[in-house]
Amino acid sequence: QSVLTQPPSVSGAPGQRVTISCSGSASNIGADYDVNWYQSLPGKAPKLVMYGNSHRPSGVPDRFSGSRSGTSASLAITGLQAEDVADYYCQSYDRGLTAWVFGGGTKLTVL
Amino acid sequence: QVQLQESGPGLVKPSGTLSLTCTVSGASINNDYWWSWVRQAPGKGLEWIGEIYHSGGTNYNPSFKNRVTMTVDMSTNQFSLKLTSVTAADTAVYYCARVREYGPQKYCSDYWGEGTLVVVSS
Repeated sequence: QSVLTQPPSVSGAPGQRVTISCSGSASNIGADYDVNWYQSLPGKAPKLVMYGNSHRPSGVPDRFSGSRSGTSASLAITGLQAEDVADYYCQSYDRGLTAWVFGGGTKLTVL
Repeated sequence: QVQLQESGPGLVKPSGTLSLTCTVSGASINNDYWWSWVRQAPGKGLEWIGEIYHSGGTNYNPSFKNRVTMTVDMSTNQFSLKLTSVTAADTAVYYCARVREYGPQKYCSDYWGEGTLVVVSS
């Protein structure tokens, strides 16, 4: 059971918009700790796609956007493309656990 | 281009010690970054193990209690992980990553290795 809760899977047709939610608590996201998002493919290095809730690293398409509100955060991908197929993980810091924590991951499928 | 590469035995016996090394290229481990280890057990999510600074300062996940030790070797631009008293539950893909501070006390892992699978089995 991960400290941050994500839906196991989301899907969308090419060109559509999908959002991936990340639900936390008062000891992590709700305590004003930022959320980062990573894209993971089997056998490849995870890739940072969003940091500080809503900041895109260089090279990440502007189709990706992020937000945080209260005890939750979300990653949105517009103009869905086949290359977006991957697992996505949210990350934050938990002051009660004194540890960085991740969500359980969300598998994105492009229909 | 910053690259990280994990290396170490892919098979460790129960009650033994897991030892991994991460070799950093394209960046000096002596720069102002933390260097971390994260793992992913089969079918599970990511789990933070801990992090080390070039000065040797460390932060460990309390869930690993006293089993984990991280070291850094600036002469080889490498950092290492040791996990003792391993069990089958420690079977996972182990990743090393660079941790960047993008704001006061705000961090993200901007470069990762591809990961190495470690199986704990007799």
